[in-house]
Amino acid sequence: DAGITQSPRHKVTETGTPVTLRCHQTENHRYMYWYRQDPGHGLRLIHYSYGVKDTDKGEVSDGYSVSRSKTEDFLLTLESATSSQTSVYFCATTRQTYTPDTEAFFGQGTRLTVV
Amino acid sequence: RKEVEQDPGPFNVPEGATVAFNCTYSNSASQSFFWYRQDCRKEPKLLMSVYSSGNEDGRFTAQLNRASQYISLLIRDSKLSDSATYLCVVIHNTDKLIFGTGTRLQVFP
Repeated sequence: DAGITQSPRHKVTETGTPVTLRCHQTENHRYMYWYRQDPGHGLRLIHYSYGVKDTDKGEVSDGYSVSRSKTEDFLLTLESATSSQTSVYFCATTRQTYTPDTEAFFGQGTRLTVV
Repeated sequence: RKEVEQDPGPFNVPEGATVAFNCTYSNSASQSFFWYRQDCRKEPKLLMSVYSSGNEDGRFTAQLNRASQYISLLIRDSKLSDSATYLCVVIHNTDKLIFGTGTRLQVFP
């Protein structure tokens, strides 16, 4: 299995508090992604990174920020958590994106509950 | 309209049946296509890439139709262990991996 680790795996937090989720990879992959998964919506892209300090928004980026200061770590921050951000968050990485042989590897997910 | 659309199902089929899923995408600049499988409460895992000429892997066949902007997955001789959610994935030229909402398959004895 690819070395993609998410932390924490589970978290309960209160509305209005900041929360940071971490994705750590040992694959030296260039691309990293954060998704949230909710019933009826599938996986929706929050932010992604195409290199150190290079990030861009996905379709549901409002209320989230990211940082990537080194290749192996991609942090997702909820500046002020809201109940609508209760979800399962997945991190994914790929080595490249431009060939049919590209495979995305996923972390095991973080279950976040905002109360 | 979502960029990648799938019929959410569920598809309930008996063992041994053949089942097909379709996925449509709206961005003509999409360049790579995949099917992923996700088991309940687990992370998605690659099932197969989809090549322009179509490709087969055992009981699974994937097809790409660029003109109509859809991809398909055919599963023959369904097994109980095939029960899962099947996710269509499209990569843009912007390097974004875009997922469909997934199609749930339930195979019954």
